Amino acid sequence: QKEVEQNSGPLSVPEGAIASLNCTYSDRGSQSFFWYRQYSGKSPELIMFIYSNGDKEDGRFTAQLNKASQYVSLLIRDSQPSDSATYLCAVSYRDDKIIFGKGTRLHILP
Amino acid sequence: KAGVTQTPRYLIKTRGQQVTLSCSPISGHRSVSWYQQTPGQGLQFLFEYFSETQRNKGNFPGRFSGRQFSNSRSEMNVSTLELGDSALYLCASSLELGAGANVLTFGAGSRLTVL
Repeated sequence: QKEVEQNSGPLSVPEGAIASLNCTYSDRGSQSFFWYRQYSGKSPELIMFIYSNGDKEDGRFTAQLNKASQYVSLLIRDSQPSDSATYLCAVSYRDDKIIFGKGTRLHILP
Repeated sequence: KAGVTQTPRYLIKTRGQQVTLSCSPISGHRSVSWYQQTPGQGLQFLFEYFSETQRNKGNFPGRFSGRQFSNSRSEMNVSTLELGDSALYLCASSLELGAGANVLTFGAGSRLTVL
């Protein structure tokens, strides 16, 4: 059974600080890794994807992938109240199925 | 460029009934995938359609089915509704086959309540 695990939170972070969101996955055959953001009452929207080990930066967001340890993380620098949302980690496998974690609720404190 | 359009947005059904949900993908996107989202289980993959053929299927009973038309629009059907089918049903489109290899753009969802 392939699993994607996230801490449900809520994770409370002061405005301007770095928010660190973590995700672990069970299958070493995983190939692609995604972070989606979902505001309350809205649908998920892609923030970043990463395929290779290491870091990938896009503006205030950095995705980090460590395949040996089977985890992927998302760092949000200079956190803003508008970053308050649920962040979904998603992992895809060779058969192209994608499995989502249950999400981490992030709350940025003004 | 229009996004992914799902209809209806909200619906209420009773146990035993059946429901059909519709999804129009972004123009040019050929793959449509469907997901069920509930507070307890999170976002779960139902199936993916490409070129009018189901290419991938999640672990849901046969009561859940779908199809895709030649214009890439897709419908999903749930028969013999159960209380546990109450959920937000999300459709996502992507350019090519392989929900895992392509960026997914989600529609606003259809919220189904089964009484």
